[in-house]
Amino acid sequence: GQSLEQPSEVTAVEGAIVQINCTYQTSGFYGLSWYQQHDGGAPTFLSYNALDGLEETGRFSSFLSRSDSYGYLLLQELQMKDSASYFCAVTTDSWGKLQFGAGTQVVVTP
Amino acid sequence: EAGVAQSPRYKIIEKRQSVAFWCNPISGHATLYWYQQILGQGPKLLIQFQNNGVVDDSQLPKDRFSAERLKGVDSTLKIQPAKLEDSAVYLCASSSRDPSGRPRGKGTGELFFGEGSRLTVL
Repeated sequence: GQSLEQPSEVTAVEGAIVQINCTYQTSGFYGLSWYQQHDGGAPTFLSYNALDGLEETGRFSSFLSRSDSYGYLLLQELQMKDSASYFCAVTTDSWGKLQFGAGTQVVVTP
Repeated sequence: EAGVAQSPRYKIIEKRQSVAFWCNPISGHATLYWYQQILGQGPKLLIQFQNNGVVDDSQLPKDRFSAERLKGVDSTLKIQPAKLEDSAVYLCASSSRDPSGRPRGKGTGELFFGEGSRLTVL
């Protein structure tokens, strides 16, 4: 079957670093994306990795290892506004079909 | 640039009634998706359109759900009759692809989501 596994919740203090891991097992793989969703809001795109390695965008970085079917999102210098759910998602075909994980709720405390 | 527009934002109906959701994607985006997000879960793809053709509807419960995208722009998702387990947020998303389906911009991972339509079935 197809699955994406990520932790359900992570708690950290302001200024800390958080790493959200994602392991996947899908029928096809074109790339790994990360999305952020605040309560009641729309998912918003954060990053996309099609090749192995690290992609950095400001305070957020994303990593992919295709051989390990594994990736992670790194949140640095955590701020209160980073409290949200974070979803990893795999593009499973050339048409851009996106399969999402169940999400990781990040709680940032003062 | 205007984002993905959805309506209504909220809808409460009783089981066995019908409901319809509307989506207007970002101008020029040929690919349109409908996702169902149950509370505490990740979005689940219901149907994907490329222009006005269906690319994937393998997870759409076709006995009660239907969707169309006339003229390759706006889309409507309908549920008839609704069940209690249909209570969820219905998210519409679009992405930028050329008419043959090849991705533009940041590749195949970037979807633009609307705010969603929250359905409660009593």
